[in-house]
Amino acid sequence: EAQVTQNPRYLITVTGKKLTVTCSQNMNHEYMSWYRQDPGLGLRQIYYSMNVEVTDKGDVPEGYKVSRKEKRNFPLILESPSPNQTSLYFCASSLSGEETQYFGPGTRLLVL
Amino acid sequence: DQQVKQNSPSLSVQEGRISILNCDYTNSMFDYFLWYKKYPAEGPTFLISISSIKDKNEDGRFTVFLNKSAKHLSLHIVPSQPGDSAVYFCAARSYNTDKLIFGTGTRLQVFP
Repeated sequence: EAQVTQNPRYLITVTGKKLTVTCSQNMNHEYMSWYRQDPGLGLRQIYYSMNVEVTDKGDVPEGYKVSRKEKRNFPLILESPSPNQTSLYFCASSLSGEETQYFGPGTRLLVL
Repeated sequence: DQQVKQNSPSLSVQEGRISILNCDYTNSMFDYFLWYKKYPAEGPTFLISISSIKDKNEDGRFTVFLNKSAKHLSLHIVPSQPGDSAVYFCAARSYNTDKLIFGTGTRLQVFP
């Protein structure tokens, strides 16, 4: 089954404790992206990747890092999480940046 | 500055009637528009799209209309069904970027 998976689905952590949210797709997509969804703000792009070893900032990249060492994986790293990073995070992938994006199920993060 | 706006945070419609969801945008470089539907605890799923060279695109019960002069698009669902109850996001992309800009979403409730 073609899908985008994210882990964990739910996470509670404390300020400053490094965490990684994994994202994996099995559709051989070149383009992958991370979004955060906040009330009243919709979905905002954090980082995106056009292909392996190619990443670029989205609209709200501060406090986040990403890597794209393999085509299927695109982890989101929070080196020192802060409460304002409490949010619902979505990973998405597509054949290219111009194609329709497929979203993962989301990761709900609470930073205390 | 919100480039894609969905001014109605919620909409309630009776089953069998038409649902009309609206979206306004400010960036005249946007040339491709999409609607995504999101159920609770799931990621957004693609619904329908329209290119700026068209003013209408239809797919079953779903029709998207684009008015470029007014920088406005709308999604019509007819007839509405209870299973259509979800949050609907409109999104836009400009020809010179691979970034999708999302609106804030409209929660549609279809009641029997």
